Amino acid sequence: GAGVSQSPSNKVTEKGKDVELRCDPISGHTALYWYRQRLGQGLEFLIYFQGNSAPDKSGLPSDRFSAERTGESVSTLTIQRTQQEDSAVYLCASSLNRDSQPQHFGDGTRLSIL
Amino acid sequence: GNSVTQMEGPVTLSEEAFLTINCTYTATGYPSLFWYVQYPGEGLQLLLKATKADDKGSNKGFEATYRKETTSFHLEKGSVQVSDSAVYFCALYNQGGKLIFGQGTELSVKP
Repeated sequence: GAGVSQSPSNKVTEKGKDVELRCDPISGHTALYWYRQRLGQGLEFLIYFQGNSAPDKSGLPSDRFSAERTGESVSTLTIQRTQQEDSAVYLCASSLNRDSQPQHFGDGTRLSIL
Repeated sequence: GNSVTQMEGPVTLSEEAFLTINCTYTATGYPSLFWYVQYPGEGLQLLLKATKADDKGSNKGFEATYRKETTSFHLEKGSVQVSDSAVYFCALYNQGGKLIFGQGTELSVKP
């Protein structure tokens, strides 16, 4: 596609529920990244995928967070048993490959945990 | 480790004022440096970048020079407009796949 697409744009859910966020990268981009932006703060790296290599999961804050990507296409970020501190904007980005910059960002998913 | 520090906001300016947003970094080796902008209700957009020392990135009247001796990448604009109101993020890339961001600086420009 023309840009990175994320869905849903907004998600409100109750504490304890699982949520799944989706990211469609730019066509042809082999690297895909997830970041979290808490209110009034900068972006925290969560995870990135590069082609068929093992993903770098070093930024995931707990084992409630996981992400998958099939080949070089769509990725899903799953948060299980959501907590209020998970409320944030989750941003996805893609680039041609890991060492190709800049990264191109989607508009994000605003997640609110009640 | 790698880190980025930005001046705290919010920054409030009148239209046509001069803008400086300070950014300093800590990194080993030779990172690439970026400024991203986030307009209200929108995602991050790349504003400008510099990949090596003494490079100057520029776009839409904004400029930033990669200063290795002071480990800085300050953002400047000579005359801001109301439409420049946004949150500005300084970031570095130093291999390893991930961007390291500063905390962001909110800019509000009044007519």
